[in-house]
Amino acid sequence: KNEVEQSPQNLTAQEGEFITINCSYSVGISALHWLQQHPGGGIVSLFMLSSGKKKHGRLIATINIQEKHSSLHITASHPRDSAVYICAVSPDSNYQLIWGAGTKLIIKP
Amino acid sequence: GAGVSQSPSNKVTEKGKDVELRCDPISGHTALYWYRQRLGQGLEFLIYFQGNSAPDKSGLPSDRFSAERTGESVSTLTIQRTQQEDSAVYLCASSLGGTGQGYTFGSGTRLTVV
Repeated sequence: KNEVEQSPQNLTAQEGEFITINCSYSVGISALHWLQQHPGGGIVSLFMLSSGKKKHGRLIATINIQEKHSSLHITASHPRDSAVYICAVSPDSNYQLIWGAGTKLIIKP
Repeated sequence: GAGVSQSPSNKVTEKGKDVELRCDPISGHTALYWYRQRLGQGLEFLIYFQGNSAPDKSGLPSDRFSAERTGESVSTLTIQRTQQEDSAVYLCASSLGGTGQGYTFGSGTRLTVV
């Protein structure tokens, strides 16, 4: 079993829909990262979380340390949100990362 | 190979020395990415290869950093005249294509510049 699990693996939605991507992990962590990669492009770091909730524009990330779970939400989704979203955790023991497999999101106009 | 392999896993070097970090991607993966994470900070994209060419080098922090890829396989990230701020975990990932499908990540190289 992977130490970081993301769901769903693939998600297709219509423009304007509220999107949720989930990430569960099984190790103790000091931080959790959400990243985004557009087709053919580099990876952009969206959030680094250690507790609570962060918001940036239409993106919201939450983390529940007790449940070892994080969610990434996109409100009023737009085709330009189409990308792969990746969850990664920094274990307590060091700052090397454990990665989820990514969620491929497609938003149709 | 079965996964993305990075070597060395740990490297301690003296300030001013050059270092080479290696990444062996999954066989057949045409896309390869380098990025780094400094302690307590988020991830930084460094460079992206599609085949042997690098369409996106935008993340390389200075001209002391360079990377190459040969045979659509192994990639080497070179840091010249290392500085203490170069201390970080350097991560490599590969995927089947530039669309980001089927990401596989290496476990990283922890570089410490003393």
